[in-house]
Amino acid sequence: EAGVAQSPRYKIIEKRQSVAFWCNPISGHATLYWYQQILGQGPKLLIQFQNNGVVDDSQLPKDRFSAERLKGVDSTLKIQPAKLEDSAVYLCASSDRQGGNYGYTFGSGTRLTVV
Amino acid sequence: QQQVKQSPQSLIVQKGGISIINCAYENTAFDYFPWYQQFPGKGPALLIAIRPDVSEKKEGRFTISFNKSAKQFSLHIMDSQPGDSATYFCAGGLIKAAGNKLTFGGGTRVLVKP
Repeated sequence: EAGVAQSPRYKIIEKRQSVAFWCNPISGHATLYWYQQILGQGPKLLIQFQNNGVVDDSQLPKDRFSAERLKGVDSTLKIQPAKLEDSAVYLCASSDRQGGNYGYTFGSGTRLTVV
Repeated sequence: QQQVKQSPQSLIVQKGGISIINCAYENTAFDYFPWYQQFPGKGPALLIAIRPDVSEKKEGRFTISFNKSAKQFSLHIMDSQPGDSATYFCAGGLIKAAGNKLTFGGGTRVLVKP
């Protein structure tokens, strides 16, 4: 079974620039998550999709972050404009509807550095 | 608001020793408590999970102990090996029809010395 694919692996941008991350979940997984992991901290949920609808975006800084999941498969997360504090690893994860194994499958993440 | 507190932040253990990581939670609505293992440059991977109606769960060298009244749970890694060197995260999970939601602790970096 192919895992969760993310690209790019690394990105360095200047503050106030924009950036986009891409995620392709495991085939058939209805639920997709974006997490932000700041160095030395645990992942924090940014947004959760069920198919192509948003389930939870309560912790997404909507003034600068946006995300979409067209056709209920791939997803993109965008930051515009970026701030220094956005430097982090952005993790995408997916799970099937029941999440019967109580777990998600995470991708390897995109490491963003804002300078 | 940090709902899951994890300690210690780091620990060093000799090969063959026992690693113990502790977590405390505040949200009594959590339905399950997973542990994730993360290697550098990789995403977290599910290691083991427990439901709150169970006091202990063992899978190989990994054991979760759960104390519902104290709102605490811990991970024990027996016979620690150098390959266990990683960062470990505990989490509280909510099971929902639209997909489970996890709240992670801050992580513990474990180094197993050969």
